[in-house]
Amino acid sequence: DQQVKQNSPSLSVQEGRISILNCDYTNSMFDYFLWYKKYPAEGPTFLISISSIKDKNEDGRFTVFLNKSAKHLSLHIVPSQPGDSAVYFCAASAGYALNFGKGTSLLVTP
Amino acid sequence: NAGVTQTPKFRVLKTGQSMTLLCAQDMNHEYMYWYRQDPGMGLRLIHYSVGEGTTAKGEVPDGYNVSRLKKQNFLLGLESAAPSQTSVYFCASRARGRVSGYTFGSGTRLTVV
Repeated sequence: DQQVKQNSPSLSVQEGRISILNCDYTNSMFDYFLWYKKYPAEGPTFLISISSIKDKNEDGRFTVFLNKSAKHLSLHIVPSQPGDSAVYFCAASAGYALNFGKGTSLLVTP
Repeated sequence: NAGVTQTPKFRVLKTGQSMTLLCAQDMNHEYMYWYRQDPGMGLRLIHYSVGEGTTAKGEVPDGYNVSRLKKQNFLLGLESAAPSQTSVYFCASRARGRVSGYTFGSGTRLTVV
């Protein structure tokens, strides 16, 4: 049973605009959340994370928001750039390993 | 700095054949993982190891075995390959206590015919 859900398989955004990627989770024991970016034929690379004791974490153009009561997190990319086009995975940790969502394919068009 | 290296990068197997995927990391990480990625399924954990000589089952362990005889290596074995094991396999490692510190390899694309 999928504990981390990314319900939007794909998203298309114009360059310069905001990209918002969403993620929902069901396990209240998750204490750390991460976003990974993946290009074709490469392994996932870490993007940004947030602890469950925080509600926001910012790193340059990337911001992750966590709403624990709704069991929801989102990744905001502002401004979006064509190089951001990739698959984005939401992941959650409650122990030794990560649980991943199915991913959202982001396309940033010029 | 190599990070996490997976061998081989591509392989085609016939049903019933066996093979071993090798993962090597040079960062002295305690924890190592094997994930598989299938279209529309995200990454699913097969097995993991929290230290040399220890292994544990993940979400989808059936049909796979693993060994961690040396700290830097984590082997994934398929004893009798099945078409359902056609997938892209990713190895990852991280240091103890660093939840955000996962480093992934570039993947092994396995096709079972």
